[in-house]
Amino acid sequence: EAQVTQNPRYLITVTGKKLTVTCSQNMNHEYMSWYRQDPGLGLRQIYYSMNVEVTDKGDVPEGYKVSRKEKRNFPLILESPSPNQTSLYFCASSLIGGGETQYFGPGTRLLVL
Amino acid sequence: GQQLNQSPQSMFIQEGEDVSMNCTSSSIFNTWLWYKQDPGEGPVLLIALYKAGELTSNGRLTAQFGITRKDSFLNISASIPSDVGIYFCAGTHNNDMRFGAGTRLTVKP
Repeated sequence: EAQVTQNPRYLITVTGKKLTVTCSQNMNHEYMSWYRQDPGLGLRQIYYSMNVEVTDKGDVPEGYKVSRKEKRNFPLILESPSPNQTSLYFCASSLIGGGETQYFGPGTRLLVL
Repeated sequence: GQQLNQSPQSMFIQEGEDVSMNCTSSSIFNTWLWYKQDPGEGPVLLIALYKAGELTSNGRLTAQFGITRKDSFLNISASIPSDVGIYFCAGTHNNDMRFGAGTRLTVKP
């Protein structure tokens, strides 16, 4: 089944404790992206990747890192999480960038205490 | 960066009624997309629009890409209870993708 998977789905952590949210897609998509969703703000793009080893900042990249060493994986790294990073995170992928239809993962709900 | 202006923020309608929501922006976009998000899940694409003026239907859903490339609307005809959810518009320009804040739809049986 074609899908985007994220892990974990739920995470509670404390300020400053490094964490990684994994994202994987099995559709051989070149483009992958991370979003955060907050009430009243919709989805805001954190980082995106056009292909392996190519990443770019989105709207709200501060406090996040990403890497794209393999085509199928695009982990989101929070080196020192803070409470304002409490949010719902979505990973998405598409065949190519530039407006091509994106497929979203199920989301990761993060709470930073 | 600028997000899209999506309205209304929420709608409470009776089953069988038609629904209309729209998105506007001060910037032009090459593509307009409409997504629906059910509770606890990621957004799912409903309709994609690639050309200014394009009018596209998907069952009871109809969406249009505005001529100015700065707006789009989504209509849902004869709403049913399973239409409940949050609807998001999204616009893309080159590799930049922006989302509206969403329209929360409630359908009363």
